[in-house]
Amino acid sequence: QQQVKQSPQSLIVQKGGIPIINCAYENTAFDYFPWYQQFPGKGPALLIAIRPDVSEKKEGRFTISFNKSAKQFSLHIMDSQPGDSATYFCAALVDYQLIWGAGTKLIIKP
Amino acid sequence: SQTIHQWPATLVQPVGSPLSLECTVEGTSNPNLYWYRQAAGRGLQLLFYSVGIGQISSEVPQNLSASRPQDRQFILSSKKLLLSDSGFYLCAWSRGGNNEKLFFGSGTQLSVL
Repeated sequence: QQQVKQSPQSLIVQKGGIPIINCAYENTAFDYFPWYQQFPGKGPALLIAIRPDVSEKKEGRFTISFNKSAKQFSLHIMDSQPGDSATYFCAALVDYQLIWGAGTKLIIKP
Repeated sequence: SQTIHQWPATLVQPVGSPLSLECTVEGTSNPNLYWYRQAAGRGLQLLFYSVGIGQISSEVPQNLSASRPQDRQFILSSKKLLLSDSGFYLCAWSRGGNNEKLFFGSGTQLSVL
C-alpha cells in the first residue's frame, strides 16, 4: 500500500513530441506528489509538484495531471527537447517519508 | 542560500575495507538529513533519515550505519564493505518540519571490487 508504481521504465520520443510518464498509488493518505528530474551523475532535483486538491498544475513546459479517484498522476512534457533527456521520478509523501517510483529514463531524439 | 556538499564524487574500495562518506549542509539550521542509495538504472532507496543530532532512523537493515555528529553533518559508514554495497549514494536535506522538498547532493559513485 506504500508503493508508487511508475511506468514506463524507459521512453524514447522525437524532439517536439509529448512524453507522458504515469504513476499510480494506493494509499489515500498521500498528500503531496512531486516529480524529480535527474541527469546522469547528478542528484535528483525537484521539477514540479501537486497536491491532491488540484487536478492539474503547469510550470513552463511541464504539466502534472492528477486523477484523485483513479489514484493516478502523470507528467507531460510539452515541446520536448534533447536537453530534457534525463531520468524522471515520481514520488508521494505521507508523514515524513517520500515514497519513490522506480524512475523513467527518457531520451529525446533530435 | 543553502548548499549541500557531498564527497568524494567517486570511490573505489576493496571488499572488506571500511567506508566513510560525508555530507554537510550550509545556510540552514536543523535540517532533516537523508542518505539514499541508487543502484545502476534503478530507483532511490532510503537508507537513513535524521531529524536532529544523534537521531538516526534506519529504513533498511544492512551493512551500513549513519551518524550525525553536528547539526549540518551527516556521515555514512561501514566497517567492512560488501560487493553489494556498490552504488550511487546520495545525501539530501529538507527543512526541519517540512519534508516536501528534498535538496540532493551531487552523489558519490561507490565501486566495491
